[in-house]
Amino acid sequence: DIQMTQSPSSLSASVGDRITITCRASQSISSYLNWYQQTPGKAPKLLIYTASNLQSGVPLRFSGSGSGTDFTLTISSLQPEDFASYYCQQSHSGPLTFGGGTKVEIK
Amino acid sequence: EVQLVESGGGLVQPGGSLRLSCAASGFAFSSYWMSWVRQAPGKGLEWVANIKHDGSQKYFVDSVKGRFTISRDNAKNSLYLQMNSLTAEDTAVYYCARDKISGPTNFDYWGQGTLVTVSS
Repeated sequence: DIQMTQSPSSLSASVGDRITITCRASQSISSYLNWYQQTPGKAPKLLIYTASNLQSGVPLRFSGSGSGTDFTLTISSLQPEDFASYYCQQSHSGPLTFGGGTKVEIK
Repeated sequence: EVQLVESGGGLVQPGGSLRLSCAASGFAFSSYWMSWVRQAPGKGLEWVANIKHDGSQKYFVDSVKGRFTISRDNAKNSLYLQMNSLTAEDTAVYYCARDKISGPTNFDYWGQGTLVTVSS
């Protein structure tokens, strides 16, 4: 199974900050990496697919990059509605696996 | 508008069974793979199973193999998860998610989730 490791597991930031979340795969997954956002009590929402493609309707302040084993999710200017948990997920091979999550909290 | 509505969750005793349903609308259900993803209380996301658009291929995470079955009824636009021999480790919110038509998976639509609690 491909293990997905996210860092940090949590971070505190302020509105307007630029933040980066990292996701590392235990083996190469090419660009088969998706990012999700989840707010408490809600279902996850797809933000980025195949590493760098912005899902329709997602604000341009979100961006993704990487390939192989190392990936990043960047929020260029944090907004109040962005305080949430973020998960990466590989779709290279089964079983599909998620990272452990990164909780973004208000500083 | 794409909608996925899960039902069937509840409290069940260890060793018991439960069948979850997911009613889909607003898209060509019979063209898509579909998945179940779960989230234990306070924990991260775990993919559980998926099924090809015609039901001919099914895949499971190791922890549920032999206990869970995934199925679908394209005539009813419905997805199911039959869960047997449940343990406390299966306690979670179970989400139905739209998977791919082809190519790499991404879950672009999710239901609101249904809570399964396994406890005596």
